[in-house]
Amino acid sequence: AQSVTQLDSQVPVFEEAPVELRCNYSSSVSVYLFWYVQYPNQGLQLLLKYLSGSTLVKGINGFEAEFNKSQTSFHLRKPSVHISDTAEYFCAVSEVPQTGKLIFGQGTTLQVKP
Amino acid sequence: GAGVSQSPRYKVAKRGQDVALRCDPISGHVSLFWYQQALGQGPEFLTYFQNEAQLDKSGLPSDRFFAERPEGSVSTLKIQRTQQEDSAVYLCASSLATGVGYGYTFGSGTRLTVV
Repeated sequence: AQSVTQLDSQVPVFEEAPVELRCNYSSSVSVYLFWYVQYPNQGLQLLLKYLSGSTLVKGINGFEAEFNKSQTSFHLRKPSVHISDTAEYFCAVSEVPQTGKLIFGQGTTLQVKP
Repeated sequence: GAGVSQSPRYKVAKRGQDVALRCDPISGHVSLFWYQQALGQGPEFLTYFQNEAQLDKSGLPSDRFFAERPEGSVSTLKIQRTQQEDSAVYLCASSLATGVGYGYTFGSGTRLTVV
């Protein structure tokens, strides 16, 4: 069975500093990988996705992620964070391309401090 | 509408009460998903519709949970005889077509509190 592990429950960082949010997955088959962001009292918004091709994926708001098959990882990075990036971030995996059903990690709270 | 609309936004139910949660997907979206998000957790898959057909209900936690989408648009998630462990945010998402390549649009969710 597939699963997703987000290694940090909370990541505090100062404004304009770089950040990395870690995600590891386990699966016996090829997977498709996603990062979502959730602002307070809102639904989830897609940041980026990896379906195939280049392992470095660029998304919205300056975020990027790198798919590493050998490490079974899909870490999210941003070179310089803003206060407005404070939110909950979820990594997700799909083994079922026909439907797009997602398995989510536990989430990482990114706290950007001034 | 422009997005996925869920109602009510908040629901407080007494233990044992039945509740119905509504999801209005984006017009024309074929796929519709329901997820349950407990406090401090990631969303967990409940069920999936392709048009009016419920193709996967493997995530429904018990037979107290029932979902329908009779005309292939609006969906309702019904929980019978609510229990405290049902307290969570229930998220609905829709997608233009079937398949992982099509992004979801999530609604803002319904926060259910069972007292």
